[in-house]
Amino acid sequence: AQSVTQLGSHVSVSEGALVLLRCNYSSSVPPYLFWYVQYPNQGLQLLLKYTTGATLVKGINGFEAEFKKSETSFHLTKPSAHMSDAAEYFCAGGGNQGGKLIFGQGTELSVKP
Amino acid sequence: EAGVVQSPRYKIIEKKQPVAFWCNPISGHNTLYWYLQNLGQGPELLIRYENEEAVDDSQLPKDRFSAERLKGVDSTLKIQPAELGDSAVYLCASSLLSGAADTQYFGPGTRLTVL
Repeated sequence: AQSVTQLGSHVSVSEGALVLLRCNYSSSVPPYLFWYVQYPNQGLQLLLKYTTGATLVKGINGFEAEFKKSETSFHLTKPSAHMSDAAEYFCAGGGNQGGKLIFGQGTELSVKP
Repeated sequence: EAGVVQSPRYKIIEKKQPVAFWCNPISGHNTLYWYLQNLGQGPELLIRYENEEAVDDSQLPKDRFSAERLKGVDSTLKIQPAELGDSAVYLCASSLLSGAADTQYFGPGTRLTVL
């Protein structure tokens, strides 16, 4: 069965520091992978997605993620954190069951001034 | 372009009462999803529609939950009767097509509190 695991339910960084949010997936077939961001009392907004092709995916707001099949990982990074990046981030995978997405537990990102 | 619209945004009810949530997807989007998001968790799919057909409702608790998308556009999710454990955020999403790579666009959700 497909599953998505996010390591760390809460990550805290200083403003200007590197952001690294970890996501690992399990799948018997090449997956499609997504990162979504959720601000308080709002719905999920797509940051980026990997389908096929280039394994380094660039998204909005300076975020990027690299698909590493050998490590079954799709970690999200941003070189320099902004206060406005504070939010909940969800990694999700799909591909085995049509449009069904499997979400990770989420990682809350805090940014300290 | 308008996003996915959901109403109400917040709902507080007593247990055993019925409740309904409404969703209007992005215009032209054929696929509509209802997700359940418990506090501190990721969303979990309840039901997926392609046009007016429910193509995946395996996670919908059919004893108390029902959904419809009669004209293949907007949709309603109903709970009757509500239980304390149903307190959660109910998210609606839509996508242009139904493929696994298609981006799903989410509404703001309805936060349900059952007392």
